[in-house]
Parts: sequence; structure tokens; C-alpha cells
Amino acid sequence: SAVISQKPSRDICQRGTSLTIQCQVDSQVTMMFWYRQQPGQSLTLIATANQGSEATYESGFVIDKFPISRPNLTFSTLTVSNMSPEDSSIYLCSVEGGQSSTDTQYFGPGTRLTVL
Amino acid sequence: GENVEQHPSTLSVQEGDSAVIKCTYSDSASNYFPWYKQELGKGPQLIIDIRSNVGEKKDQRIAVTLNKTAKHFSLHITETQPEDSAVYFCAATWGGYQKVTFGTGTKLQVIP
Repeated sequence: SAVISQKPSRDICQRGTSLTIQCQVDSQVTMMFWYRQQPGQSLTLIATANQGSEATYESGFVIDKFPISRPNLTFSTLTVSNMSPEDSSIYLCSVEGGQSSTDTQYFGPGTRLTVL
Repeated sequence: GENVEQHPSTLSVQEGDSAVIKCTYSDSASNYFPWYKQELGKGPQLIIDIRSNVGEKKDQRIAVTLNKTAKHFSLHITETQPEDSAVYFCAATWGGYQKVTFGTGTKLQVIP
């Protein structure tokens, strides 16, 4: 399985500011995914990021609020813009398992965001 | 879209006992069902998965069963240990795409 790292691991931010979360994978992957996990809740898909194309956002998530970059096959960023306390969550990136297991997703350790 | 229900939301067992977590799904087109374990402060970790052409799969103390007719699948953990304490998520993949619908999670506590 892929090894995934995220930066920062946690942050405390003031409302109205923006935070960019980085996701790095140790192998090339076609698809990367960004999830939000609100406190004590399940995982909700924010968007799918393919290299070389714009991200595809799920219902309820918009590019202006969560811009995503995917400059190459091993890296992606998610920005949480104009933050409010409701954005306090864990943000997780995940990747597909690759040619041997395209159904499987593997997750990074997450970024714990608190907005004051 | 797919809807996945998971029960129970919390589960406490004595060390050495078995734990069972159950999930149901709504879309008969779903064909892949992974289970994830999330420890406090960490991301979800895949622990076992099953495909729709298989009824049961086992990996040491962990097993998963799938009933396609009833659209439900279950995670069985035998001889539980304190390190099994975590939140467990079931999931179902649908639509022929790498989109996963997660269950609501089960917080398992193994009491030493």
C-alpha cells in the first residue's frame, strides 16, 4: 500500500483566514481524494483530484471554499478558505490502491483543524 | 446513491470475547466492501475487505461475511485485545468508480 503523509498534522486558526493542507504520496497515483471528518462523525468526500484536470467536487462543497491543486502524480493540496468554527474537522487525503486494487483507498494520517 | 447503515454505534466487550459489527447497504450494484480501523489521532487503516463474489473472508482474528441477498455484511473480531479498541468503519463502493460510502462508525472498547 502507498505511504501517505500530510502537513500540517494539526493547526489552530483564526476565523476568516485560510489554511493549505499538503498531501504527499510515495508512489505515483492517478486519483487522490480529500475527505472531511467532523468531530465524532464519519467521513465525507469533498472532492476527487486528478492530475492535469480540475478537481471534481461533491454536492455541498465548492471550489471557492475548498480550492484543490494537483500539480503531479504524487502531490496535492487542499485549501480551506475564509474559515469559520464550523470548518473545525479532520481533513484526510486518500489515494487509490493502484493497478492491483483500484477499488481500495488508503488514507493519510489526517490534519486536525480547529478554527477559533 | 448508496446508503450504508452501521450498528452498533458503541460496543464494549471483555478482553478475549468476540465482537461483531453489522452494516447494511442499499445499492445492489455495490461490489466491494472494505473495513477500516481508526485509532485516536490517526487516519483510517484498511484492515480487511471483501468483494461481492465472495461470501466470507478471514485474516487471523478478523473475518468478514457478506450476504448479497440481504444486502448486509459483518465484521467479526475474535479473541479481542485492548489494542483492538478503536472506531471501525464499514464502507461500500458503488458506481464503478473509486467512490466509497462510509458507515457511521462503531466505537469498540475492549475492557482488560
